[in-house]
Amino acid sequence: DAKTTQPPSMDCAEGRAANLPCNHSTISGNEYVYWYRQIHSQGPQYIIHGLKNNETNEMASLIITEDRKSSTLILPHATLRDTAVYYCIVRDLYTGGFKTIFGAGTRLFVKA
Amino acid sequence: NAGVTQTPKFQVLKTGQSMTLQCAQDMNHEYMSWYRQDPGMGLRLIHYSVGAGITDQGEVPNGYNVSRSTTEDFPLRLLSAAPSQTSVYFCASSTRTGYYYEQYFGPGTRLTVT
Repeated sequence: DAKTTQPPSMDCAEGRAANLPCNHSTISGNEYVYWYRQIHSQGPQYIIHGLKNNETNEMASLIITEDRKSSTLILPHATLRDTAVYYCIVRDLYTGGFKTIFGAGTRLFVKA
Repeated sequence: NAGVTQTPKFQVLKTGQSMTLQCAQDMNHEYMSWYRQDPGMGLRLIHYSVGAGITDQGEVPNGYNVSRSTTEDFPLRLLSAAPSQTSVYFCASSTRTGYYYEQYFGPGTRLTVT
C-alpha cells in the first residue's frame, strides 16, 4: 500500500470548516483513499473513501486532486465532538480492509 | 447487531504470564484483524485472517499467536507477556462491499504488563 503524509496536528474554530490534507504521491491506479478518525480511547471509525472523484456523505467531503497524489478531507462545520485523530489511508482494492496500515494521523483540535 | 466486541476491557499482567484477548463479531464478516496502539502512535497490524482457518502475520507479530476456528471469533494469545506489550489492542472485522471494504473496530482492550 502507498505511504501517506499528514501534518501532525491542526486547529479549527468551532463552526468553521476543517480542511485536513493528505499527501499520497506514490498512489497506484487500484488504490483507494480512505479516511478514518479515532476519538480519544475509542476504536477508529470510518468516515469516507474515494478513488478519483470527489465524494460527500453525511459526515464529510473528500476532494482528490486530478493526479490523485493528494487529497483533502473537509468537515464543513466542525464541532467540539470532531476533536480526534484523523487517519488518511491508501488501500489496495484486493488486499483491502484486513491489512489496513495506519500512520500517525493528524490530531485535530476544535476550539470553542 | 452488537458489532465487534472485545473482552476484557482492561487487564494487568505480570511479566511472563500468558493470556488470551477475545474478539467476536456478529456481522458474518470474512476478514478480521488485530492491531495494537501504543501511546501517541498510530495502530500497528499484528495478525489478520481472511476466513476461518486462515491467518497471516502483520507488521508486529512477534510474541502473539492467533487462530480462527469460526467466522465469528478471532482470539489473540500473548504467549509470555513482556512490558513492551503494554498497549491498547483493537480488533476489527471487515467485508467487501462492491469495490471497497467496510471495516469496523471494537472498543479496545487496555493491557498493562508489569
